[in-house]
Amino acid sequence: ILNVEQSPQSLHVQEGDSTNFTCSFPSSNFYALHWYRWETAKSPEALFVMTLNGDEKKKGRISATLNTKEGYSYLYIKGSQPEDSATYLCALRMLTFGGGTRLMVKP
Amino acid sequence: NAGVMQNPRHLVRRRGQEARLRCSPMKGHSHVYWYRQLPEEGLKFMVYLQKENIIDESGMPKERFSAEFPKEGPSILRIQQVVRGDSAAYFCASSPLASGQGSYNEQFFGPGTRLTVL
Repeated sequence: ILNVEQSPQSLHVQEGDSTNFTCSFPSSNFYALHWYRWETAKSPEALFVMTLNGDEKKKGRISATLNTKEGYSYLYIKGSQPEDSATYLCALRMLTFGGGTRLMVKP
Repeated sequence: NAGVMQNPRHLVRRRGQEARLRCSPMKGHSHVYWYRQLPEEGLKFMVYLQKENIIDESGMPKERFSAEFPKEGPSILRIQQVVRGDSAAYFCASSPLASGQGSYNEQFFGPGTRLTVL
């Protein structure tokens, strides 16, 4: 059974702050890591698929990095906006999800 | 291109009844995943299907739950003799490629079905 951990569980930041959070996973038998954004009362929305060690992907103000050797991925949000408020999930192979990081951005 | 569709969006059942949840994947997607979100918990994988095949059902409860994805029509998650503990949001997602074959493609989620068991 794969164990995917996310930290912190929740995060409150001010509008304009940059922030980052972590997804940790077993480094052996890595296949792919998925990041999702999940707004309340909506369904998860795919952000990134990370596959190679050292991968770095970017979408607007959001970016992610991957270290498969040590088993972690970081998600960064630059200049947080209230509309970034959501739960950010990571998952291994779309099968095992972390508990999510709930981000709240105050105007 | 319509997204992943799920119906019904809300379903109320009494204990002992059957619940049937439907998921129509995105056009061109042949792989469907079902997940469950219990109250105050995260997303948990239930089952992964390809057309006419169950690929991985390691997350499915052993009794009362079944899933299918026929050659024609939507994928169905069926819960027999529902109990209060089955109350949850059930999400399906689809992708064009298998999870085991690289997982490189994005996965698209449906809006979910919220099941309430009275």
